[in-house]
Amino acid sequence: KAGVTQTPRYLIKTRGQQVTLSCSPISGHRSVSWYQQTPGQGLQFLFEYFSETQRNKGNFPGRFSGRQFSNSRSEMNVSTLELGDSALYLCASSDPEDEQFFGPGTRLTVL
Amino acid sequence: LAKTTQPISMDSYEGQEVNITCSHNNIATNDYITWYQQFPSQGPRFIIQGYKTKVTNEVASLFIPADRKSSTLSLPRVSLSDTAVYYCLVVRTDSWGKLQFGAGTQVVVTP
Repeated sequence: KAGVTQTPRYLIKTRGQQVTLSCSPISGHRSVSWYQQTPGQGLQFLFEYFSETQRNKGNFPGRFSGRQFSNSRSEMNVSTLELGDSALYLCASSDPEDEQFFGPGTRLTVL
Repeated sequence: LAKTTQPISMDSYEGQEVNITCSHNNIATNDYITWYQQFPSQGPRFIIQGYKTKVTNEVASLFIPADRKSSTLSLPRVSLSDTAVYYCLVVRTDSWGKLQFGAGTQVVVTP
């Protein structure tokens, strides 16, 4: 089975712009979660989607949003980028109530 | 969710056994203990999960005492490629898609 794929792998944006990151889960997995990893804050949960509905949400501002499509693929969007949004964004997929499989991440740099 | 406490770092030599103990004093009845491994600039990888007693797979063993207030991840005969950050997580059965990571333990294996 192919693993979780994330595109793009690297991205450079400037402050004030918006960005959309994409995640394709493992075939058959219906749950997709997003995480942000920074040196200062570590790995933090952003949100989880299951069957196109947001099931859980972390403690991030409304600039961070996501969605899931009927084929379980997911996107996350960050609007009005700030320097502090520079991070590795990780997507993970799972069968419900099972271990999460992480993708390689998207490295976002905000200048 | 129960907070976890684990050592910040551990050093080992190749071929030795590495044991990482994690404290989770406030673990609840429907919580599982899960360990992930992460290499730099990659997504975390699931290692092992358990509820009580001992669990073993091809990579590691997990020891959980009867009171479940702590757990120990055991990595047998480590190699240089085991150098990574290891995260201990407490996962609630209704929140599999919402992992809460702590700071993890940086394990460094030297020749």
